[in-house]
Formats: sequence, structure tokens, C-alpha cells
Amino acid sequence: NAGVMQNPRHLVRRRGQEARLRCSPMKGHSHVYWYRQLPEEGLKFMVYLQKENIIDESGMPKERFSAEFPKEGPSILRIQQVVRGDSAAYFCASSPQGRNTGELFFGEGSRLTVL
Amino acid sequence: GESVGLHLPTLSVQEGDNSIINCAYSNSASDYFIWYKQESGKGPQFIIDIRSNMDKRQGQRVTVLLNKTVKHLSLQIAATQPGDSAVYFCAENRETDKLIFGTGTRLQVFP
Repeated sequence: NAGVMQNPRHLVRRRGQEARLRCSPMKGHSHVYWYRQLPEEGLKFMVYLQKENIIDESGMPKERFSAEFPKEGPSILRIQQVVRGDSAAYFCASSPQGRNTGELFFGEGSRLTVL
Repeated sequence: GESVGLHLPTLSVQEGDNSIINCAYSNSASDYFIWYKQESGKGPQFIIDIRSNMDKRQGQRVTVLLNKTVKHLSLQIAATQPGDSAVYFCAENRETDKLIFGTGTRLQVFP
């Protein structure tokens, strides 16, 4: 069984460009979460999505960041007009429907570097 | 503000010894905690969880203790092995699996 798949694993962008990060949840999982991790820090919650719905985006910056989880295909985290402060590892996690067990399954992360 | 934080950033232990990683939280209403392990270059991996109606829970070589009086929890790893070297995070589960992570403790195991 494939785990949570994220791509690209590494992404380099210049200031002002756009970054798109993709996440395919585990098979059978319909809940997706995005987290951001700065070096030597913990993970910060960004957004929680279910298919075609944003459930909680309280951790998303108000501008430039957006997320979607369409009916078909992976979840996408999109960062427009990137700045150096966006450099971080972005982790996606998935879980089955509404178990509230605390056991999220994380991908290997996408590491964004903004030059 | 509310936070989940750790006492020590780095813990060094000798192989075979027991490790104790501590975590403090500030929200007295918190009722569900999870420990995650993150190896270098990888995503976090679930280790063990505990709810507030318990003060101790055991897994394979790991034990989590919860002291609600002082808002403190700990992760104990028995007979620490080189493969246990990683960063360990405590996290609070705030509804719908929205996890609030602490800063992390790096565990280094030396021979």
C-alpha cells in the first residue's frame, strides 16, 4: 500500500514565482492536512480539507496561499509570488473519515527554497 | 497564548539506556495528546497517544505518562537503540485531527 505521496520533494523558486505542491493521500483516506515546518521547529497547521471542501484554513496566511482538494486528483497547495520567508518544508498528512484518533499519516514533505 | 512546548531541545543517551522526553502544555482543557517521531529528511510518524482519562499508556518499548495537575507529559523509551535517533514531538489534538505540535526534542543515541 502506497503511503502519502508528495511531489516535488524539492522545489526551487525565485522571488515572485509560483510554487505548487501536490499531495496524494493514502488509498481510502478522504481527509488531507497541510503543515509547514521551518528548520529546527515544529510543524504548524495550515489547512484541513476534505474532497472539494475546505474545512479549516485557520493556519493559512491570508494572502498568496491557497489549497484545494478536488474530486479527482491530488490536493494542491499553491503559493503565489513566493518570498524568501516561504522557504520551508511543507508536509501533507491524511486520515480516514473522521476518526479523530490523532494518527495522521504524513508524506515525506516538499522542501521549498526561495532564492 | 496556548502552546505545547518541550523542556529540552537535545537529549543524548547511551545505547541501551532509557530515554525520557518531556513536554509541557498550557491549555488545561487539552484532553488528547500524541507523540510523533521524525527522522531526518522524513515526515513525522505516529508513536503513541493518550487521552486525559488516562495517566499512563504503554506501547512497544514506549510509555507515555500524563500529569494533568502540572500539565506535563513524557515519553519514555526503554533500551534506547540507534534507530531511535530522531526528533520527537508532542502534539495536541484539537478536534478533527488538527494537531498542534511542540518545538521538538532531538534524541541522539551514542554507542
